[in-house]
Amino acid sequence: NAGVTQTPKFRVLKTGQSMTLLCAQDMNHEYMYWYRQDPGMGLRLIHYSVGEGTTAKGEVPDGYNVSRLKKQNFLLGLESAAPSQTSVYFCASSYLSPGEGRAQYFGPGTRLLVL
Amino acid sequence: KNQVEQSPQSLIILEGKNCTLQCNYTVSPFSNLRWYKQDTGRGPVSLTIMTFSENTKSNGRYTATLDADTKQSSLHITASQLSDSASYICVVVLTGGGNKLTFGTGTQLKVEL
Repeated sequence: NAGVTQTPKFRVLKTGQSMTLLCAQDMNHEYMYWYRQDPGMGLRLIHYSVGEGTTAKGEVPDGYNVSRLKKQNFLLGLESAAPSQTSVYFCASSYLSPGEGRAQYFGPGTRLLVL
Repeated sequence: KNQVEQSPQSLIILEGKNCTLQCNYTVSPFSNLRWYKQDTGRGPVSLTIMTFSENTKSNGRYTATLDADTKQSSLHITASQLSDSASYICVVVLTGGGNKLTFGTGTQLKVEL
């Protein structure tokens, strides 16, 4: 049981390049989330999904797109990377909504540097 | 201004000592309040989850308390260990906004010999 895994662990991009971050979970969770964590700020929600084939915008969705074609995978795409997207990206999953008191399980993070 | 404020920003204690971390929040109404532990270079791990009606919740040496009247929560760590060195994050889940959590910026704790 690997929990939540993220690929890649670290990436350097040039401004304008694109990339996709992959999140996978093996806990059969319905809910999946993408957050970014920046120094001096709390984690901020980018996009989330409440089930296979669904996606929704979070607090800071601009510049990102997501897809949830399979229940176990949640992809985060950057179409044209900008230096402001330099951050640590965390994926999380939960069986039910956090509003129902269920814990979120986080992946190890992806460190992205945009030059 | 962040709606979830944590103090202190950082803290250094000796191994074996106790400590208390504070969380003040302005967001309401909320369905539950959480404390996470985040080791350096890793994702957050859930320590406790308290509903608005709970006053305290324990997880081993970690005890969280909640005062909904004053909108304060605290995390007490007993008999600290070197492995407790981490960032501790307070999170509030709003009622009706079940998928949107408000995260504090964390308290960085270092436990030294």
